[in-house]
Amino acid sequence: EAQVTQNPRYLITVTGKKLTVTCSQNMNHEYMSWYRQDPGLGLRQIYYSMNVEVTDKGDVPEGYKVSRKEKRNFPLILESPSPNQTSLYFCASSLMDNRREQYFGPGTRLTVT
Amino acid sequence: RKEVEQDPGPFNVPEGATVAFNCTYSNSASQSFFWYRQDCRKEPKLLMSVYSSGNEDGRFTAQLNRASQYISLLIRDSKLSDSATYLCVVNSGGSYIPTFGRGTSLIVHP
Repeated sequence: EAQVTQNPRYLITVTGKKLTVTCSQNMNHEYMSWYRQDPGLGLRQIYYSMNVEVTDKGDVPEGYKVSRKEKRNFPLILESPSPNQTSLYFCASSLMDNRREQYFGPGTRLTVT
Repeated sequence: RKEVEQDPGPFNVPEGATVAFNCTYSNSASQSFFWYRQDCRKEPKLLMSVYSSGNEDGRFTAQLNRASQYISLLIRDSKLSDSATYLCVVNSGGSYIPTFGRGTSLIVHP
């Protein structure tokens, strides 16, 4: 089954404790991206990747890191999480770039206390 | 001015009604357009792409008006299961960052 998976689905952590949210897709898509969704603000892109070893900032990259060492995986790293990073996070992938349909993972609900 | 704007609603309609949403965009160089559906706190899922000539998929019709810079979504014969938030997405030429609207909430009641 074609899908995007994310782990963990729910995470409660404390300020400053490094964490990684994994994202994996099995559709051989080149384009992958991370979004955060906050009430009243809609989906905002954090980072995107056009292919292996090619990443770039989205609209709200501060406080986040990503890597793309393999085509299927695109982890999101929070080196020192802060409470303002409490949000619902979605990973997505697309065949070529953002101009095609994006397939979203199920989301990760992160709470930073 | 926000790049992509949607009326947040909620649009509260009875089953069987026809309802339409608009989504305006500010960048005239925008090239591709989509409607996604999002159920409460779940992942967005593609409803339909929006083509220049307009397109229809069952009860759903999407249209693009480049002159006035908006896209629309028409839902005919609304079902209870159509209750969701509808997100419009606009992609501009030269940018790999899609712009999402904040969504329009639809509630279909018996």
